[in-house]
Amino acid sequence: NAGVTQTPKFQVLKTGQSMTLQCAQDMNHNSMYWYRQDPGMGLRLIYYSASEGTTDKGEVPNGYNVSRLNKREFSLRLESAAPSQTSVYFCASSSGPFSYEQYFGPGTRLTVT
Amino acid sequence: SQQGEEDPQALSIQEGENATMNCSYKTSINNLQWYRQNSGRGLVHLILIRSNEREKHSGRLRVTLDTSKKSSSLLITASRAADTASYFCATDRSGNTPLVFGKGTRLSVIA
Repeated sequence: NAGVTQTPKFQVLKTGQSMTLQCAQDMNHNSMYWYRQDPGMGLRLIYYSASEGTTDKGEVPNGYNVSRLNKREFSLRLESAAPSQTSVYFCASSSGPFSYEQYFGPGTRLTVT
Repeated sequence: SQQGEEDPQALSIQEGENATMNCSYKTSINNLQWYRQNSGRGLVHLILIRSNEREKHSGRLRVTLDTSKKSSSLLITASRAADTASYFCATDRSGNTPLVFGKGTRLSVIA
């Protein structure tokens, strides 16, 4: 089992460019999450999908969109990247929402210049 | 907004010593979880303690929860260099509210 996989591992964008971060899990989990991690800030929730077919905003959703493509895949899109979106992005999944342990991917390090 | 706050922010100990880190939170919780993050990697779940539990063990890890003080502690006994990582607590207020992470404690174990 690969667990949670994320692509790409690294990305550099210019301000205004768009991109999609991909995430997939092979654990048949119902819930999936996107977080960002900034130095000294811990993890902050961007969007989550409690089950296939649903998505909801987290703490910091502005500037992002998500798609729960199927039970396995949950993508995060930046439509017009800004320097403030420079961060490390983590995807996670869990068998049930919130109270369950979460499994994390290896992260995507994004730099916006 | 951060619900949990870990203390200390950084901790450096010798191999073989015990490491204790604390987490305080502001509102009532459903569960509290501890995660480890090695440098440049994703988080790994260590242990979950429910609000009606006071203590839990897993290998060299011991977690306590004091809901009256809104605090939890993570004890790592007989630490090893491989325990060098950042440790985060995370809380949820109910089964329907997102997990909220603290800012973490950076632990360095010196061989």
